[in-house]
Amino acid sequence: KAGVTQTPRYLIKTRGQQVTLSCSPISGHRSVSWYQQTPGQGLQFLFEYFSETQRNKGNFPGRFSGRQFSNSRSEMNVSTLELGDSALYLCASSPPGTANTEAFFGQGTRLTVV
Amino acid sequence: AQSVAQPEDQVNVAEGNPLTVKCTYSVSGNPYLFWYVQYPNRGLQFLLKYITGDNLVKGSYGFEAEFNKSQTSFHLKKPSALVSDSALYFCAVRDTNAGKSTFGDGTTLTVKP
Repeated sequence: KAGVTQTPRYLIKTRGQQVTLSCSPISGHRSVSWYQQTPGQGLQFLFEYFSETQRNKGNFPGRFSGRQFSNSRSEMNVSTLELGDSALYLCASSPPGTANTEAFFGQGTRLTVV
Repeated sequence: AQSVAQPEDQVNVAEGNPLTVKCTYSVSGNPYLFWYVQYPNRGLQFLLKYITGDNLVKGSYGFEAEFNKSQTSFHLKKPSALVSDSALYFCAVRDTNAGKSTFGDGTTLTVKP
């Protein structure tokens, strides 16, 4: 079974630009969560989508948005990039139905804002 | 609100010695607890979880964790550390009623030969 796939793996963007990251979950997984990982802030929850609906949201500004498609693939968008947005962005998918299942993580997208 | 604390940023042990990585949590309901490991430039990999039942949970690569409800702790342990265990370890908690997981800040484990 294929794992969680995130594309691209690496991105370099200029301050003020926008960026879209993609995540393809494991087949059959309908829950997709996004996290931002930085050395200083650890792993911060961005949002979770389930069946195309945002189910939970973290404490990030409105520049961070996401969506989920009918095939459970998810995209995350960051507009008006700031230097502080440089981070590893991780996507995780989970099987449907239960809160006691572990998350399966992709390898992440390393975003550098210059 | 749920929270996780990993009080040690760094844990250093010698190869062959036992290791412990500490985690304490706070949730309003019953907790689901998880440990994940992250190697450089990779995503997180699941190690083990506590859902219910035995307080001692066994997981991948010889790791185990002990759930202690009175101390609200879920420490990760291994009887004999390997150099290849060196990585970043995250503890996570999910309230049985909540959708999202909350992660600790991570603990860097370094095992020296």
